[in-house]
Amino acid sequence: DAGVIQSPRHEVTEMGQEVTLRCKPISGHNSLFWYRQTMMRGLELLIYFNNNVPIDDSGMPEDRFSAKMPNASFSTLKIQPSEPRDSAVYFCASSHSGELFFGEGSRLTVL
Amino acid sequence: ILNVEQSPQSLHVQEGDSTNFTCSFPSSNFYALHWYRWETAKSPEALFVMTLNGDEKKKGRISATLNTKEGYSYLYIKGSQPEDSATYLCAFMKGFKTIFGAGTRLFVKA
Repeated sequence: DAGVIQSPRHEVTEMGQEVTLRCKPISGHNSLFWYRQTMMRGLELLIYFNNNVPIDDSGMPEDRFSAKMPNASFSTLKIQPSEPRDSAVYFCASSHSGELFFGEGSRLTVL
Repeated sequence: ILNVEQSPQSLHVQEGDSTNFTCSFPSSNFYALHWYRWETAKSPEALFVMTLNGDEKKKGRISATLNTKEGYSYLYIKGSQPEDSATYLCAFMKGFKTIFGAGTRLFVKA
């Protein structure tokens, strides 16, 4: 298995633009997590899904953030409109028995 | 609010030193406690998944203990090597939700 696949690896965009981050979990994993890594807060849980259903989105910072999981093999995290303070590394992780397997992250820079 | 605290924030040791870090977590409604190793420019990788009070797990020179009643876990590294330099994260699992501590950044000098 290729592991958790995230794209893009790097994105540089201007304030106000829409950003879409993508994640393909490991096949057979039924839980998917989106985390944001910042210097101030470390790994911050944004949202997680179980069997494609969002279970807890209380970590999503604002209405500008949204996440979807239309099927078991794909999830998106969207920021619209983006702001400079959204600059961070966004990690996707999947799990089937508790242990999380992380993607390599998407580094977002909003100018 | 689920609070996972790790200490120290960072640690500098010499090659060959043994060291340990602490993770404290809510003791009520415990489900599982994970330790992850996170090297710079890589993704976190799981070291241990611990579920039972009194659990002790070992992988090579690294071991961990768990006390769910008082809400803490220790990670030990025996005879630190430069390649052990990384951030060590603990994560508290409640149901599906996995909350990470801020990590302990370990620097091992040759």
